[in-house]
Parts: sequence; C-alpha cells; structure tokens
Amino acid sequence: QKEVEQNSGPLSVPEGAIASLNCTYSDRVSQSFFWYRQYSGKSPELIMSIYSNGDKEDGRFTAQLNKASQYVSLLIRDSQPSDSATYLCAAYAGGTSYGKLTFGQGTILTVHP
Amino acid sequence: NAGVTQTPKFRILKIGQSMTLQCTQDMNHNYMYWYRQDPGMGLKLIYYSVGAGITDKGEVPNGYNVSRSTTEDFPLRLELAAPSQTSVYFCASSYSSLVGYSPLHFGNGTRLTVT
Repeated sequence: QKEVEQNSGPLSVPEGAIASLNCTYSDRVSQSFFWYRQYSGKSPELIMSIYSNGDKEDGRFTAQLNKASQYVSLLIRDSQPSDSATYLCAAYAGGTSYGKLTFGQGTILTVHP
Repeated sequence: NAGVTQTPKFRILKIGQSMTLQCTQDMNHNYMYWYRQDPGMGLKLIYYSVGAGITDKGEVPNGYNVSRSTTEDFPLRLELAAPSQTSVYFCASSYSSLVGYSPLHFGNGTRLTVT
C-alpha cells in the first residue's frame, strides 16, 4: 500500500524562525511531490512542487527532495503568523496514476508572535 | 471563472438516509476526483474519473457511488448514510498531461454530519 507519512505535530515556531516540515513516502515509483497548505475550514492550496533531487526555492519556501532516502521536506523561512495552517505532503506516481495523489495526514504548524 | 463548485456546503443526515453531493467544473478538465478528509487526517481518495462515462474506485469507495455523464459534472452518491461517513468531502479536477503533472483544483468542500 502506498503511504505518505508526516509528523502530525503540532509544530510551534516563533515568528521569524524557520519552520521545517518533513515527509516520507513508501512507493519508490513516486516521481513528483507536492506541498499543500490548508487553512482551517478551507480547501487545500498548492504551494510547492518538486520533481528532482535537491532543493527548489520559491520566495520564503524551499522544498527538498531525496529520492534515495524517500524523503521530502518543506522549509519556511521568516515564518509569519499567517503561515499557521496544516501542511499536506502528497506524492504522485505518474504513469497510469491518472493524476491521483496520495496524501500524508498533514502537519499542523502554529507560528506565534 | 467559477473553477470547481460543490454543493451543498453543509449537510446533516440521519443514519440510513441518502444524498448526492454535487460537483461541477468549468475548466474542461477530464480528470475529476472525490476525496474525504477526517479530522486530523489527510485526504483519502474515494472515486475518480478520467472522462465522461469512465469512473474507478479509489482507496475508500465503500458506501459511495459516482457517475460521470458529462465532462463538467461528477456527483457523489451516499446510500444508507452511516456515522463513519461524517467527514469533509472535497471534489477536485485536473487536466491530463503527457508531460509532467497537472495540479489539482479543489472545490470548497462539503461538511457532512451523519447522526
């Protein structure tokens, strides 16, 4: 069974700090990985995608992928209270997956002033 | 541009009742999905469709049915509602791509309580 595992937290960081969110996956054929942010009572929104080993930076967000270790992470620099949300990691196997994603259970992040 | 529209936003059902959750998209996406999200959990795939007339089961299909008669609409039917179906339901769509991955577009969700 394909699984994506996250530490459910909650993770609490002070404003201005770096928040580090981690994710592991079991299916070695997974080729693409995504981080979704979900505010309470809202639908998930895509914030980062990563397809190759290494780092990908977008503003205050950096996604990291290590396919050998089956590990994905998201770093949020200069964390703001508005970053407080649940962050969902998702994996895509490609091929005949028809766009289906496997989601982790999410990590609750709280950024306190 | 409406995107993915779900109705209703909230619903309370009694055990054994039935209902249909509506989902429509105006982006001409051929892929559509139904996910459920239980408190503190990620999203679990219920059913998906790759085009009109074609549907298939996801991880947690028991107690649900779907149909896809048009590209735009993908309703989810709950028969004989049970308390275990209390959840938030998200409909999503994407287009098929031969190169890379097309992101999911989510609806705003339907919060269902079965008592």
